[in-house]
Amino acid sequence: SQELEQSPQSLIVQEGKNLTINCTSSKTLYGLYWYKQKYGEGLIFLMMLQKGGEEKSHEKITAKLDEKKQQSSLHITASQPSHAGIYLCGAATGANNLFFGTGTRLTVIP
Amino acid sequence: DAGVIQSPRHEVTEMGQEVTLRCKPISGHNSLFWYRQTMMRGLELLIYFNNNVPIDDSGMPEDRFSAKMPNASFSTLKIQPSEPRDSAVYFCASSPLGGLGGNTIYFGEGSWLTVV
Repeated sequence: SQELEQSPQSLIVQEGKNLTINCTSSKTLYGLYWYKQKYGEGLIFLMMLQKGGEEKSHEKITAKLDEKKQQSSLHITASQPSHAGIYLCGAATGANNLFFGTGTRLTVIP
Repeated sequence: DAGVIQSPRHEVTEMGQEVTLRCKPISGHNSLFWYRQTMMRGLELLIYFNNNVPIDDSGMPEDRFSAKMPNASFSTLKIQPSEPRDSAVYFCASSPLGGLGGNTIYFGEGSWLTVV
């Protein structure tokens, strides 16, 4: 079965610092999704990557998918307290569903 | 536009009782998913439907769990009888037909279930 591993499991950074979260798959990904979750709330879609080497940005968040389509990174520039939450990567399998990594808990200290 | 709507948002019930969670997907979306999230196991797919038909229920933990989608705008997840280990956040999500061929899955805000 396919596995998704996220690292680090938790991250504490000072406001204004840059950070990177990684997501590694044991198999080639058909698609890689990044979601953010705040405590007590649902998952908010951030970005989706499908092509090897693809990179997308939204405001201060950039996501990349490597050429082999087995690893993705999420980079936040100049972090803010509003970036705090749990970041989840989700992998699209050949079937019509999406399964998730264990998440990275981000804390941003003002 | 309204997102995926789930109810109840919070439920506390006694062991052995029946629990019914409800979901209204985004209008026009033909795929519906039920996920469960716990600290130990993270986010797990329980079942998903395409055009109201269950496609894969291999994630449903036991016979105590059942899910239905009687029409395109409503789905239920039922646990009978409930047990303390069922305590979790249950998410419903929907996406356009074709699933993940470039389509995003949109999540509801979850139903927080506590079984005591």
